[in-house]
Amino acid sequence: DAKTTQPNSMESNEEEPVHLPCNHSTISGTDYIHWYRQLPSQGPEYVIHGLTSNVNNRMASLAIAEDRKSSTLILHRATLRDAAVYYCIPVLQGAQKLVFGQGTRLTINP
Amino acid sequence: EAGVVQSPRYKIIEKKQPVAFWCNPISGHNTLYWYRQNLGQGPELLIRYENEEAVDDSQLPKDRFSAERLKGVDSTLKIQPAELGDSAVYLCASRRDGSRYNEQFFGPGTRLTVL
Repeated sequence: DAKTTQPNSMESNEEEPVHLPCNHSTISGTDYIHWYRQLPSQGPEYVIHGLTSNVNNRMASLAIAEDRKSSTLILHRATLRDAAVYYCIPVLQGAQKLVFGQGTRLTINP
Repeated sequence: EAGVVQSPRYKIIEKKQPVAFWCNPISGHNTLYWYRQNLGQGPELLIRYENEEAVDDSQLPKDRFSAERLKGVDSTLKIQPAELGDSAVYLCASRRDGSRYNEQFFGPGTRLTVL
């Protein structure tokens, strides 16, 4: 399984953009990069995933470095409800399992 | 669409007692997972079911943990006897084969406290 490195914690202000970095230098060519987040007292929830190209959905954007050794999850306009632990997870194509690291605890200030 | 249902949400027991957790996955999801999450850590996979078959139980402590998924729908995870170190949140997740994003859907978890 590819190793990931994420900051333990980050803090941002409401209505400002947030950039959550993830290093995954040992990622293989067929690993997708998945992001999940875990709100307080809830199970993790899927946010977004990508392989090589940048991806957008209603929740966030995912920017993947050209060498694929790092990626950044972008919340364009953070709200208090975005306060959560965010996990970056490389997932082998077709794999059935997620291997979670410690993630980044994001705090949003009003 | 109803999400993954888990019960109970909280359980407090004394060490050496048995405990069981129940999970009902999203309808139509053939893959079911049980994870354990220790405080301040990410979830760790205990067991994965494809329909009623346990296909990955390498991380399940088989001396005291057992799981079943009869009829390939809901599932039960049991600990007998519980130890102090088993205090954690036990998460159930499900996934549908062939789903567009291959994502797992998690339940809210059962928080176990062993005294």
